Amino acid sequence: GQNIDQPTEMTATEGAIVQINCTYQTSGFNGLFWYQQHAGEAPTFLSYNVLDGLEEKGRFSSFLSRSKGYSYLLLKELQMKDSASYLCAVRDGDYKLSFGAGTTVTVRA
Amino acid sequence: IAGITQAPTSQILAAGRRMTLRCTQDMRHNAMYWYRQDLGLGLRLIHYSNTAGTTGKGEVPDGYSVSRANTDDFPLTLASAVPSQTSVYFCASSDRVDTGELFFGEGSRLTVL
Repeated sequence: GQNIDQPTEMTATEGAIVQINCTYQTSGFNGLFWYQQHAGEAPTFLSYNVLDGLEEKGRFSSFLSRSKGYSYLLLKELQMKDSASYLCAVRDGDYKLSFGAGTTVTVRA
Repeated sequence: IAGITQAPTSQILAAGRRMTLRCTQDMRHNAMYWYRQDLGLGLRLIHYSNTAGTTGKGEVPDGYSVSRANTDDFPLTLASAVPSQTSVYFCASSDRVDTGELFFGEGSRLTVL
């Protein structure tokens, strides 16, 4: 199986920046995904990295370093609606997508 | 626009009973997946299908079976439910096995007593 680690919880203030780290060990690599999941809802796609570097999409950015087995999701200008769980997922050499346990982000006023 | 539809939304089931969770997508996606989500463990892959007519085992396949008779439907069957199968089940699909993002259904909450 895969080994994907991310912090369990993070708390930040509205308007601030939060960085969620993800480290992974997989047999083969075919991309890294970040998903957002609000409580009681389905996960929704945020970003996809397959090459090293930074992908920016509005207030959210995702970074990948394949040699280090490392990614982060950066959330800028935090809003209350950003309170959710953020899931790091890695697609392995057999194209199966494995998920980390998720990081619960709480945004406080 | 339906996307992926799962049924039932919620179900309470007696141990030993047979149960089928239904999943239908209207996006003509090739790949479909079943995950279970448990507190502290995240999403774990049960079974998957890269294209109609083929299926494969994921991380936690024991006690579950799937079929993929056509592109749109991917039912998950619990032959004889046990309490450890109490979980939230998510069906997902992807247009491409290699690069496509996964689109998730709304989930089916199953409680086995």
